[in-house]
Amino acid sequence: DTGVSQDPRHKITKRGQNVTFRCDPISEHNRLYWYRQTLGQGPEFLTYFQNEAQLEKSRLLSDRFSAERPKGSFSTLEIQRTEQGDSAMYLCASSLDRDWMNNEQFFGPGTRLTVL
Amino acid sequence: DAKTTQPTSMDCAEGRAANLPCNHSTISGNEYVYWYRQIHSQGPQYIIHGLKNNETNEMASLIITEDRKSSTLILPHATLRDTAVYYCIVGNTGFQKLVFGTGTRLLVSP
Repeated sequence: DTGVSQDPRHKITKRGQNVTFRCDPISEHNRLYWYRQTLGQGPEFLTYFQNEAQLEKSRLLSDRFSAERPKGSFSTLEIQRTEQGDSAMYLCASSLDRDWMNNEQFFGPGTRLTVL
Repeated sequence: DAKTTQPTSMDCAEGRAANLPCNHSTISGNEYVYWYRQIHSQGPQYIIHGLKNNETNEMASLIITEDRKSSTLILPHATLRDTAVYYCIVGNTGFQKLVFGTGTRLLVSP
């Protein structure tokens, strides 16, 4: 499978714990995005990387959230001191910047986080 | 980002055409209309996009009104696998973030 993969698919944690999610984009894609989706809502943009540079962060990304893409390939999203309000599906997507007219983003299956 | 308005839900019989409307009355001249869909428990999937001309691909057709204030996504022969939430999004070419609304939940029934 050469699509976007995310790990883990499900994570249950207790309030106050730290969690880290991983996203592996499609191999030649240089853009990587993180979104969050709560029940009944559309995905909300969190942050975006072009290669290893984090170029935009949403106001939704509080100080407890940090994302990295150290070598311009896979990315991690860490949430520190989790709160119950962090419970959501975390989606990763990737795209190729030469497809600028198309702007087709390829999404992974998501990581569902439940904070107890 | 321009906002879009879509009906909350729609029903369609299997084999019939599904016509999903979207209003984007504040769209600006250089903004495209994009459609994505999200099947239950999956990430969103790109369907089609357009600027002012009608577009067609293997998945769907996109009809954009002449004033560009609204559009319709057409699934010509809906199948049960087309049951999903459909999102209409507007943005400039190369924009970096997709701004999703709540979309239209399409239910295709036998």
